Amino acid sequence: EDQVTQSPEALRLQEGESSSLNCSYTVSGLRGLFWYRQDPGKGPEFLFTLYSAGEEKEKERLKATLTKKESFLHITAPKPEDSATYLCAVRDTGGFKTIFGAGTRLFVKA
Amino acid sequence: DSGVTQTPKHLITATGQRVTLRCSPRSGDLSVYWYQQSLDQGLQFLIQYYNGEERAKGNILERFSAQQFPDLHSELNLSSLELGDSALYFCASGRTMDTGELFFGEGSRLTVL
Repeated sequence: EDQVTQSPEALRLQEGESSSLNCSYTVSGLRGLFWYRQDPGKGPEFLFTLYSAGEEKEKERLKATLTKKESFLHITAPKPEDSATYLCAVRDTGGFKTIFGAGTRLFVKA
Repeated sequence: DSGVTQTPKHLITATGQRVTLRCSPRSGDLSVYWYQQSLDQGLQFLIQYYNGEERAKGNILERFSAQQFPDLHSELNLSSLELGDSALYFCASGRTMDTGELFFGEGSRLTVL
C-alpha cells in the first residue's frame, strides 16, 4: 500500500533561517510526487511536480528535490509569509489515487 | 482563487441526518476528487470521478456516496451522520484522468452535533 511520511511534524524558523522538509514515500511505482502548500482554513495549493530521481524544481524561496525514496523541500531565507502547512503527495503507476502525507507545519518568525 | 467552487462553506447538523456537499470544478477540468481532512487524519482520499465515471475509490464509508453529473459538477452525499464525520471536506479538480496537479476548493466544514 502506498505510504507518505513527512517530517518534522512542525518546524519553527527565524526569518532568514534556511531549512529543509522531508517526505519519505513507499509506492509500487512512482508516477509523480507533488508538493502543496495549505494555509489555515484554505484548500491546498499546488506547488511542484517531480517525476524522476534527480529532478529539481524551484519557485521563489522553495526548491523541491527527489530521490528514489524521498523528496526534500528546501526553504531558503524564509519570510513570515512562508508560514503554512506543506503537504507532500504521491501517485503510483497502478491507480488513480493521489495520496497525501500528514504535512509539516512551518512557522517563520520575523 | 483556484476556480473550484464548493457549497456550502459551513454546515451544522445532528447525528443521523443526511447532507449533500456540492462541487463545481475548474473550467475545462474533467476529473473531480473528494478528500476528507480532520485534525488527526490529514487529507484522506475518498473518491475520484472522471467525465462522469467513477475511477478510483479510497477510504470512503458505505454511508457516503458521490456522483458526477453531465455538466461535470459533483455531489458528495453523507448519510446516517456520526460525530466522527465532522471534518473539512475538500473537492479538487484536475485536467486529465491521471494528473496529480490538483486544484482544491475552499472546503465544506461539516460539524455533526
